[in-house]
Amino acid sequence: QPVLTQPPSASASLGASITLTCTLSSGYSNYKVDWYQLRPGKGPRFVMRVDTGGIVGSKGDGIPDRFSVLGSGLNRYLTIKNIQEEDESDYHCGADHGSGSNIVYVFGAGTKVTVL
Amino acid sequence: QVQLVQSGAEVKKPGASVKVSCKTSGYTFNTYAMHWVRLAPGQGLEWMGWINGGTGNTKYSQKFQGRVTITRDISARTTYMELSSLRSEDTAVYYCARALGYCTTTSCYAEGGSLDYWGQGTLVTVSS
Repeated sequence: QPVLTQPPSASASLGASITLTCTLSSGYSNYKVDWYQLRPGKGPRFVMRVDTGGIVGSKGDGIPDRFSVLGSGLNRYLTIKNIQEEDESDYHCGADHGSGSNIVYVFGAGTKVTVL
Repeated sequence: QVQLVQSGAEVKKPGASVKVSCKTSGYTFNTYAMHWVRLAPGQGLEWMGWINGGTGNTKYSQKFQGRVTITRDISARTTYMELSSLRSEDTAVYYCARALGYCTTTSCYAEGGSLDYWGQGTLVTVSS
């Protein structure tokens, strides 16, 4: 199964843009990756799914247009434009692996985003 | 709208078991799978397993195999996650999350895909 690697932290000034990276382990360049936002005191929120062709399906409920994704090689990116204070959260990537009764799910360790 | 509402916080002693519930509404329960994920202090999200809401088939992470049991009650639209032989390292917030599912050209898999809706989380504290 793939290993997903994320940098532990990232920061951006209010109103600026930030790009988060999730890197798949070698051999998994065709995998789709999901992005999740962990909000304090609430359950995680699904942001969107991405592969090398860009977004797969639809964004999660209530996700602003400021959020977008791209994929290239082993990397899957989440970009937040015009970052707001409410975007300060931990962001995790995840991916399902296998088929049918063998499906498992793996997560990256998460990136803590700070809005300066 | 889709809602997943989990049971309240629990405090357990080492060696005990805990059972967390996840009551759903707003969608056809038996056509989706439900995953369970936990978030321990200072750690990342950790996948525990899933149950197919229709068939009742389950799959567990190797890490929790033998300690975790996921069940469902279709009439109650509720999924349950029971973790036994608790230890301090099991102190975490436990989440249920619905799998969106996906289809290939030949088959559909309810268990896969994005985890598109999540419960609010249940804090389980293991302490003597």
